Amino acid sequence: QVQLVESGGGVLQPGRSLRLSCAASKFTFRSYAMHWVRQAPGKGLEWVAMISNDGSHIYYADSVKGRFTISRDNFESSLYLQMNSLRPEDTAVYYCAKDQGAGVGATLDYWGQGTLVTVSS
Amino acid sequence: QSALTQPASVSGSPGQSITISCTGTSSDVGRYKLVAWYQQHPGKVPKLMIYDVTKRPSGVSNRFSGSKSGNTASLTISGLQAEDEADYYCSSYTSTSTLFGTGTKVTVL
Repeated sequence: QVQLVESGGGVLQPGRSLRLSCAASKFTFRSYAMHWVRQAPGKGLEWVAMISNDGSHIYYADSVKGRFTISRDNFESSLYLQMNSLRPEDTAVYYCAKDQGAGVGATLDYWGQGTLVTVSS
Repeated sequence: QSALTQPASVSGSPGQSITISCTGTSSDVGRYKLVAWYQQHPGKVPKLMIYDVTKRPSGVSNRFSGSKSGNTASLTISGLQAEDEADYYCSSYTSTSTLFGTGTKVTVL
């Protein structure tokens, strides 16, 4: 069964940086696009970013463009999200999710348990 | 990148059918056959219920069905059961992003 395990969340002050990781296993990581999705406390799902299987296509939500960077290491079967210039409105549970396909898509068939990021002064 | 519009809540009695709408635009829902639906129970991880507008992943009950007309997609739950009480989110592919809906809380009366 597909496994996705996020790590790196924590509490930090506005303006600081944080790097989230997602360790993938039990599927051929290099064959699938991956996404980050977040959910603020008590709120709905918000798509954050996606990266194609080979890293050649990357897209971001307008709310994080220029501040967040998604990347992947297919040798290590890992997905990353570098978050800079964090704001209180970035406070959320961040989920790593697997796409059903290799390229740009929107069917997230497996999700990790999420990691909580809290931005507060 | 505006969120897709869903009703805040829908309710029904056990055994009834309910339908949740998801309204987008001609640039997302209306343009692509890449609409998905997710179920999320409180404190749990979202679960894929429908993809490509009408397809069900293995293991998902056939009580769940999807459809689309123009810029609006719909999720129908037939034979409503207590375990169906959850939040439901639609999503749509666009050429440069994935859009989620605002979410619908389903209550089983």
